[in-house]
Amino acid sequence: EDQVTQSPEALRLQEGESSSLNCSYTVSGLRGLFWYRQDPGKGPEFLFTLYSAGEEKEKERLKATLTKKESFLHITAPKPEDSATYLCAVQATQGGSEKLVFGKGTKLTVNP
Amino acid sequence: KAGVTQTPRYLIKTRGQQVTLSCSPISGHRSVSWYQQTPGQGLQFLFEYFSETQRNKGNFPGRFSGRQFSNSRSEMNVSTLELGDSALYLCASSLDWTGQFFGPGTRLTVL
Repeated sequence: EDQVTQSPEALRLQEGESSSLNCSYTVSGLRGLFWYRQDPGKGPEFLFTLYSAGEEKEKERLKATLTKKESFLHITAPKPEDSATYLCAVQATQGGSEKLVFGKGTKLTVNP
Repeated sequence: KAGVTQTPRYLIKTRGQQVTLSCSPISGHRSVSWYQQTPGQGLQFLFEYFSETQRNKGNFPGRFSGRQFSNSRSEMNVSTLELGDSALYLCASSLDWTGQFFGPGTRLTVL
């Protein structure tokens, strides 16, 4: 069964304290891995798509990397406005049907 | 470019009733996907429509159905509501499977 596990469930950082979020997955034939940010009461906001091991994408203080079994979202010198839940999803094929399988997210809090 | 819109934003229904939710995708996007989000299960894929046809389906019972119109707008219907259907229902549109863009969601409460 296709699974996505994110760790930690919650993370508290001080402003400027860099860290990484982990997304490990088991899927038969990865077709894409996606990172989203979700603020309370809002829909997820698309951040990155990664397709193959070794690929990296960057956007402001965020950098996503991908290996054959996991992806990391590195946050460099975070600010309070980076506080949100970060979701990881993989594109999987099951029974001839394609779908996105989401992890349960990492809730990030950045204190000033 | 306008984003994905969903109506209504909030709904309160009672058990046994049915509900219809609406989603207008980003202009030019022909793929519309629906998700259910709950604190316990997280985001779960319901189904995806492309050019008025259901192209992909998740593991939800037949009480959950949808359709897509020629202008790519989509509706989702849930019949015979149960307490466990209380959730945030999210719609996402995309050109293809890359970079799905989500709407703000419809918060459904079943009493």
